[in-house]
Amino acid sequence: GAVVSQHPSWVICKSGTSVKIECRSLDFQATTMFWYRQFPKQSLMLMATSNEGSKATYEQGVEKDKFLINHASLTLSTLTVTSAHPEDSSFYICSAPPERGVYNEQFFGPGTRLTVL
Amino acid sequence: EDQVTQSPEALRLQEGESSSLNCSYTVSGLRGLFWYRQDPGKGPEFLFTLYSAGEEKEKERLKATLTKKESFLHITAPKPEDSATYLCAVQANTGNQFYFGTGTSLTVIP
Repeated sequence: GAVVSQHPSWVICKSGTSVKIECRSLDFQATTMFWYRQFPKQSLMLMATSNEGSKATYEQGVEKDKFLINHASLTLSTLTVTSAHPEDSSFYICSAPPERGVYNEQFFGPGTRLTVL
Repeated sequence: EDQVTQSPEALRLQEGESSSLNCSYTVSGLRGLFWYRQDPGKGPEFLFTLYSAGEEKEKERLKATLTKKESFLHITAPKPEDSATYLCAVQANTGNQFYFGTGTSLTVIP
């Protein structure tokens, strides 16, 4: 199946700093990528839809200015958590559908564990 | 409102003891229902997509079925390596978002 990678796999930062997480589609082009957040023992919650060459679409309750998304190329989307606080500590996962315009299965990255001290 | 509920929350089985996981959903027009497996600290791994009531799909010891209100993931003669969290998600035909259930944590004891 299609491969999606994320970097870093884990990161620890101090409160108030910003953290960038990368999501790459390795063997296909992804015009759309999705960003999820997963708290311990909870399900994946969609945060935003990242669209190549245009603004991201955020789900209700997700702060656009806090979670900056950039989808500058067909293989890379980045999520920047600005002024991170301990409550932002979570598992962040991205996904991408392998075919343009066909939103069947999505392939997920391995996730990034963010810990904010 | 689109909603996905999975049960049970956790399930412990002896190796070889078959069982089923349930995913109940409410969605305004189903485009697809998806089953994923997630191991601790990893991203979900795709298992199946089901599109219409009556559809069934199989992969090794797993079989997924779909009705108009729910889906079942049947596990036949499970092995310890089947231990994982199984996630169900639905996609409505009104958008591209996936709505996930909270998952069933399966433990298979040797």
